[in-house]
Amino acid sequence: AQKITQTQPGMFVQEKEAVTLDCTYDTSDQSYGLFWYKQPSSGEMIFLIYQGSYDEQNATEGRYSLNFQKARKSANLVISASQLGDSAMYFCAMSPNFGNEKLTFGTGTRLTIIP
Amino acid sequence: GAGVSQSPRYKVAKRGQDVALRCDPISGHVSLFWYQQALGQGPEFLTYFQNEAQLDKSGLPSDRFFAERPEGSVSTLKIQRTQQEDSAVYLCASSLVPRGGGYTFGSGTRLTVV
Repeated sequence: AQKITQTQPGMFVQEKEAVTLDCTYDTSDQSYGLFWYKQPSSGEMIFLIYQGSYDEQNATEGRYSLNFQKARKSANLVISASQLGDSAMYFCAMSPNFGNEKLTFGTGTRLTIIP
Repeated sequence: GAGVSQSPRYKVAKRGQDVALRCDPISGHVSLFWYQQALGQGPEFLTYFQNEAQLDKSGLPSDRFFAERPEGSVSTLKIQRTQQEDSAVYLCASSLVPRGGGYTFGSGTRLTVV
């Protein structure tokens, strides 16, 4: 079984500052994928970034980077230079087999960017 | 279509009523997933199709829940004799190859059972 833990229910960050959203995971699988999704108030889940368990480099996608610490089983999302449009729910998720199967989600962090 | 389309967007059902939720995936996407998202929670897996084959239905909470994808494209999630605990957002996701973030989610159907 896989489990995702997000311990920050809500965060407030000043616009243009960087923010780190925490995520820890638990799995006995050797091959797995880690994901971050953004869910604005409109409801759809927007894919942000992916990290495979054997990837040695941390994933980056524009202003998003994933701080992957395999030994600590953590996969924190870093958003640089936050913008008002970043205000949303953020979910960490994982899947066995590099994402070839179902996703297991955490409970999410609500991020609010303050102007 | 350009994205994953779900209908209806909102559904209010009386307890005991049957409902059917539709998901129209991106054309050509082989894999299709259904998730249930309760208020204030993360989505939870319900079932998974590859083309018309239902490969995993381990997340369906009871035998009142049934999903089908008869021609490998549109999928329908049916809930019989709805209960209040079925109130949630039901999300559909599709993928050509579900690796590395290849899922595209729809906007969901918000079901309220009264």
